[in-house]
Amino acid sequence: QVQLVESGGGVVQPGRSVRLSCAASGFIFNNYAMHWVRQAPGKGLEWVTIISSDGSIKYYADSVKGRFTISRDNSKNTVDLQMNSLRPEDTAIYYCACGSPVSEWGQGTLVTVSS
Amino acid sequence: EIVLTQSPGTLSLSPGERATLSCRASQSVGSNYLAWYQQKPGQAPRLLIFGASTRATGIPDRISGSGSGTDFTLTISRLEPEDFAVYYCLQYGGSSWTFGQGTKVEIK
Repeated sequence: QVQLVESGGGVVQPGRSVRLSCAASGFIFNNYAMHWVRQAPGKGLEWVTIISSDGSIKYYADSVKGRFTISRDNSKNTVDLQMNSLRPEDTAIYYCACGSPVSEWGQGTLVTVSS
Repeated sequence: EIVLTQSPGTLSLSPGERATLSCRASQSVGSNYLAWYQQKPGQAPRLLIFGASTRATGIPDRISGSGSGTDFTLTISRLEPEDFAVYYCLQYGGSSWTFGQGTKVEIK
């Protein structure tokens, strides 16, 4: 079955960087667009970014544009999210997800931006 | 960016009752690329409906989606205990995807 396993979360200071990674299995990875979606504690879902199946097209939410970068390695079945210039409002559970629309989700990794 | 507004914020109903959730878009959603998700505490969301009205795999037929353009509805015909959760709509397919703020369906 489909498995998406996120890693890389933790506590990070404002202004610093962190890189999240997602390992995918159970499906033909290079056939699917991949996303990151986040959820601040006690809040709703926020779509963050999408990368096309071949990695050639990337879109971002305005709230992260210029600070976050999505990438994928179809040889390793992984998708990463490089998060720079982090702000307290970036604190959230970050979900790796696939499909259009999103049909499968990981369990998420918590990123806390705090001094 | 398309803004999705869900109403009501909270719906208090009893098992067996009908639930009607609304999702209104600030501009027309292209190709009816509108999906609905259910999320329970501590869990990742689950896809219920895509293309405004197509049920995802394994979703029971008491759950249905309708609408087009800017007005969309999720209907649960008879609430089961497992249906009490938060529901989100999502517009997708363009360069900027957006979720609604969610509707909580709680037990009355």
